[in-house]
Amino acid sequence: AQKITQTQPGMFVQEKEAVTLDCTYDTSDPSYGLFWYKQPSSGEMIFLIYQGSYDQQNATEGRYSLNFQKARKSANLVISASQLGDSAMYFCAMREGDFNKFYFGSGTKLNVKP
Amino acid sequence: DAGITQSPRYKITETGRQVTLMCHQTWSHSYMFWYRQDLGHGLRLIYYSAAADITDKGEVPDGYVVSRSKTENFPLTLESATRSQTSVYFCASSEESSLPYNEQFFGPGTRLTVL
Repeated sequence: AQKITQTQPGMFVQEKEAVTLDCTYDTSDPSYGLFWYKQPSSGEMIFLIYQGSYDQQNATEGRYSLNFQKARKSANLVISASQLGDSAMYFCAMREGDFNKFYFGSGTKLNVKP
Repeated sequence: DAGITQSPRYKITETGRQVTLMCHQTWSHSYMFWYRQDLGHGLRLIYYSAAADITDKGEVPDGYVVSRSKTENFPLTLESATRSQTSVYFCASSEESSLPYNEQFFGPGTRLTVL
């Protein structure tokens, strides 16, 4: 079974609007971490936000927030007030327990329209 | 410069040739990883290493060989390149941690084309 599933291969959003990128995960380990990375067209991987399985509150980093629904095993990334520079691929990833391996989803390509 | 570097950044080779992709990090991170990125698959783990002289297979190890004689270097070798190995290869590193939060830091990637 897929550890990380991103069901939206591509999305469009109007500039200044909010957008939600979906991510569901599969694990039986009670301790895990969820990460979102951004990959612009230049290719580098940029860490955006982290959510721990024991964290009581949803993570936020500037315009990025993580909508963490533990019972549904979802960790959706919300970008508020989209900017043209947000156009990129976005990857959701998970680390289980104390294993240092990451599992990545297939990514969502976000296009922000002016 | 501090950080994680990969070389070469671009490589074109022919089927059957051996090619080595280099990865170097200056943080003394225990863990290092090699991923390949292909459209529709995201990043898939090829091999990883927990420390010098300790390596293990990831999700797609066939056709690849790794070594780690020094903590800072983690070369990836394609012993006999095939067209299916045309991809973008990312190296990453992280500290050893038992805590769930343990960010992986990525190199800039190597774009490999096998003709």
